[in-house]
Amino acid sequence: SQKIEQNSEALNIQEGKTATLTCNYTNYSPAYLQWYRQDPGRGPVFLLLIRENEKEKRKERLKVTFDTTLKQSLFHITASQPADSATYLCALVGFSGGYNKLIFGAGTRLAVHP
Amino acid sequence: NAGVTQTPKFQVLKTGQSMTLQCAQDMNHEYMSWYRQDPGMGLRLIHYSVGAGITDQGEVPNGYNVSRSTTEDFPLRLLSAAPSQTSVYFCASSSVGTSGRRVEQFFGPGTRLTVL
Repeated sequence: SQKIEQNSEALNIQEGKTATLTCNYTNYSPAYLQWYRQDPGRGPVFLLLIRENEKEKRKERLKVTFDTTLKQSLFHITASQPADSATYLCALVGFSGGYNKLIFGAGTRLAVHP
Repeated sequence: NAGVTQTPKFQVLKTGQSMTLQCAQDMNHEYMSWYRQDPGMGLRLIHYSVGAGITDQGEVPNGYNVSRSTTEDFPLRLLSAAPSQTSVYFCASSSVGTSGRRVEQFFGPGTRLTVL
């Protein structure tokens, strides 16, 4: 069955360092991969999308890589700040009947310490 | 734009009761969906709709009904609540995803449901 794995343990890093979160998947060939941020008590918020034919995508301090051979995506936050503390979800997007369906990972909690 | 709104924010039910979770969006999105989020698990798709009058089952549809009479609204009905349905429920909307189009989902704030 399709499976997405994200580190279940929280990632603790020091302010100013680069945070790297991992998303691995099996038994799936996604057309897209997305990353979302979720704060406690709130709904997820879209951050970045990367297509299967793209190796890397950047947006301000965020960078996402997508390796379809390794079946892995890495999500980097450079110069991290305490405000970046949240849970980050990856989601695989495939097309079913012409419409996008998302499969979400459980998320990794990031804590950035001053 | 209010985006995606959900009501209520919190709800406590007794086993066997029924209720409807409301979801509305003002972005004219064709695609709407309901997810549940449980600790240690990813968001799991309950039902989704690709337009008014069209709905389909997701990964965990049992015990839930949906309808889509308008583009804006997509209510989720719990027919006979069970403790296993204790969860946080999120509604989301997006424009229809085809190659080259953005497929980001916009999520509501969630409804925290407890079934005793």
